[in-house]
Amino acid sequence: QLVQSGAEVKKPGASVKVSCKGSGYTFTSFGITWVRQAPGQGLEWMGWISARNGDTNFAQKLQGRVTMTTDTSTTTAYMELRSLRSDDTAVYYCARDAIVAAPTAFYGMDVWGQGTTVTVSS
Amino acid sequence: DIQMTQSPSTLSASVGDTVTITCRASQSISTWLAWYQQKPGKAPKLLIYRASSLEIGVPSRFSGSGSGTDFTLIISSLQPDDFATYYCQQYNSYRTFGQGTKVEVK
Repeated sequence: QLVQSGAEVKKPGASVKVSCKGSGYTFTSFGITWVRQAPGQGLEWMGWISARNGDTNFAQKLQGRVTMTTDTSTTTAYMELRSLRSDDTAVYYCARDAIVAAPTAFYGMDVWGQGTTVTVSS
Repeated sequence: DIQMTQSPSTLSASVGDTVTITCRASQSISTWLAWYQQKPGKAPKLLIYRASSLEIGVPSRFSGSGSGTDFTLIISSLQPDDFATYYCQQYNSYRTFGQGTKVEVK
């Protein structure tokens, strides 16, 4: 399973760091994808990180504002988003993904965290 | 970036109906497509990957087909638990989700 950190309230311009702890599987045999969902909206892919070697891919619109890391000693993935704006208000999910970026290695995002609500408001 | 377009955005159906949702990619993605179901306040649930492979534990009334740019999710004999929002997702290049199709009670 994947268990995420709790809800956050941040002011515009601040940063937020969300954690996602994996258990019940070999953490370094998979990657982690981060997906967000603004209120009443659809799913938006933010980026992916390989838990084996730290390779990352990010959505173009978030390049430069997002960092994804993993700590294999604690089987935890982290997503940090900087320079927060009101339109970053969303539920942020982590999900288990492929270990490498190649599509042949992907079998769907089959395990999801419970979601972390991030509210950006002055 | 690859864009994914689903249709319809909302679909009204009754229990027992057969429901068809389509997903179109802005360029060929081979069969690198997954489908997810999401209920309000819950994380998405994987239904299908590689366009037509059913995830373990997903009822056989769900089926997927297609390749290239055009894909279909069919729900046969719609059950009360199936009223939800469905998303397609490409993984040919990075990841992109469709905008979602809400299946509501007619």
